Amino acid sequence: AQTVTQSQPEMSVQEAETVTLSCTYDTSESNYYLFWYKQPPSRQMILVIRQEAYKQQNATENRFSVNFQKAAKSFSLKISDSQLGDTAMYFCAFMIRANSKLTFGKGITLSVRP
Amino acid sequence: DAGITQSPRHKVTETGTPVTLRCHQTENHRYMYWYRQDPGHGLRLIHYSYGVKDTDKGEVSDGYSVSRSKTEDFLLTLESATSSQTSVYFCAIRRQGSDYEQYFGPGTRLTVT
Repeated sequence: AQTVTQSQPEMSVQEAETVTLSCTYDTSESNYYLFWYKQPPSRQMILVIRQEAYKQQNATENRFSVNFQKAAKSFSLKISDSQLGDTAMYFCAFMIRANSKLTFGKGITLSVRP
Repeated sequence: DAGITQSPRHKVTETGTPVTLRCHQTENHRYMYWYRQDPGHGLRLIHYSYGVKDTDKGEVSDGYSVSRSKTEDFLLTLESATSSQTSVYFCAIRRQGSDYEQYFGPGTRLTVT
């Protein structure tokens, strides 16, 4: 079975600064995807970024980037130039390509201070 | 916006009553999913569907059933609601050609008293 671990329950960052959210996972599979989702107070789940396991290059989407360390089974999210609208819960998720089922971590609450 | 709606958005029901939640999509996606979200657990997969009348169980399927009689609708039924099923329920679709990305509906908050 696959597991996803987000060990930090909450973090706080000053507006305009950079913050990194950690995620580790465990799997014996070789063909999989990793995702970060954002859940603001509105409760909507929003896809932030995706990483394919077979790609060595780290994914980037505007201010969001990942540090994917396949051997260490680590998948951290870096948010640059933090904005007040980044305040949300962030979930790391894992999917085996063969069955397309998502396994989520427990999430981390990020607060951006003005 | 992936064209996903959920109904109802909020519901309060009593223990032992049956409850059906509806997920509706407008973009003809083949894969649809039901998750529940509880504090300290993230989201957990209940059931999913890979086509009309094709469904399979997820991680927390006990006490739930699903049906998909047409592409656009995926129904989740709690046969006899219990207080442990108080949760927020999310429907999701896997967008065709999207490299396995899942997009979520707005959620349904269900309270079982």
